[in-house]
Amino acid sequence: NAGVMQNPRHLVRRRGQEARLRCSPVKGHSHVYWYRQLPEEGLKFMVYLQKENIIDESGMPKERFSAEFPKEGPSILRIQQVVRGDSAAYFCASSPGMESDYNEQFFGPGTRLTVL
Amino acid sequence: AQSVTQLDSHVSVSEGTPVLLRCNYSSSYSPSLFWYVQHPNKGLQLLLKYTSAATLVKGINGFEAEFKKSETSFHLTKPSAHMSDAAEYFCVVSNSNYQLIWGAGTKLIIKP
Repeated sequence: NAGVMQNPRHLVRRRGQEARLRCSPVKGHSHVYWYRQLPEEGLKFMVYLQKENIIDESGMPKERFSAEFPKEGPSILRIQQVVRGDSAAYFCASSPGMESDYNEQFFGPGTRLTVL
Repeated sequence: AQSVTQLDSHVSVSEGTPVLLRCNYSSSYSPSLFWYVQHPNKGLQLLLKYTSAATLVKGINGFEAEFKKSETSFHLTKPSAHMSDAAEYFCVVSNSNYQLIWGAGTKLIIKP
């Protein structure tokens, strides 16, 4: 079984450009989570999505950031008009559902965004 | 509010000696606790998890962790380090089904 796939693995953008990060969850998983990891820090929750729905976006910056998980295709994290402070590793995770007390999240390898 | 403190940013041990990675947490509720490992240029892998069952939790690759409520600790241990254990380790707390609060990580260095 393929795990969580993220692409690109590395992305370089100039200030003001748009960054688009893709995440394909584990086959059969309907829940996707995005996290950001700044240098020398742990991961910070950004957003939790189910197919076509945003469940919790409490960790998303109010401006320039958006996320979607369409019925077909990968989840997309979009950052408009990037600034240097957006440089970080962005991790996607997926889980199968909410049936158990805890849904183990399976993580992708991350996308490392560098803003010049 | 929940928080996680990993007490050491780097731990260096010799191959074959014990490993101890320390983690303290703060939570208003009965938490679930996890350790994840991140190898260079790879994704994050769940090592073990505590979800209110046995306080001594065994994970993959010989790692285990003990939940101590009185000390609000969840330290990760392994009796004998292997070179392949060199990685970054994250202690994580959750009191919901999905919100994970991450520590800053501990880099484990294994000396030959």
